[in-house]
Amino acid sequence: EAGVAQSPRYKIIEKRQSVAFWCNPISGHATLYWYQQILGQGPKLLIQFQNNGVVDDSQLPKDRFSAERLKGVDSTLKIQPAKLEDSAVYLCASSLEPGPYEQYFGPGTRLTVT
Amino acid sequence: AQSVSQHNHHVILSEAASLELGCNYSYGGTVNLFWYVQYPGQHLQLLLKYFSGDPLVKGIKGFEAEFIKSKFSFNLRKPSVQWSDTAEYFCAVSDSWGKLQFGAGTQVVVTP
Repeated sequence: EAGVAQSPRYKIIEKRQSVAFWCNPISGHATLYWYQQILGQGPKLLIQFQNNGVVDDSQLPKDRFSAERLKGVDSTLKIQPAKLEDSAVYLCASSLEPGPYEQYFGPGTRLTVT
Repeated sequence: AQSVSQHNHHVILSEAASLELGCNYSYGGTVNLFWYVQYPGQHLQLLLKYFSGDPLVKGIKGFEAEFIKSKFSFNLRKPSVQWSDTAEYFCAVSDSWGKLQFGAGTQVVVTP
């Protein structure tokens, strides 16, 4: 079974630029999560999708972050414009359905904003 | 609001030593607790989980954790660690929708 795929693996941008991250969840997983992990901290949930609908985006900085999951499969997370404090690893995870079930994580995208 | 506190940020120990990592949580609803692990160069993966029932849960690679409701704790243990247990360990609590709240993590280094 293929795991959660993410790209790119690394990205370096200057502040005020925009960036996009892509995630392909495990086939058949209806629930998709994006997490932000700042160095020295645990992952923090940004947004949760159930199929192509948003379940929770309460911690997503909506003035600069956006995410979509068209067709309920792949998802894209965008930052525009980026700030220095957005430097972090962005993790995508998926699970079969919403609920307290195992989440399968991708390798993450390490973003550095200079 | 949920919160998770892990007691140690870094732990260094020798092979065959016993390991115990502390985790305390605060959450007002039904508790779903997890330990995730990230080995060097690998993805975060589930080590074990507790939803209900026996408060002593066993996970992969010889790990176990005990849920003590009165202490709001979910400590992780392994009687005898190996060099391959070097990793970062995260305690997490989940709500009914699956939203995970992670602790800050504990970096464990096992020396030969």
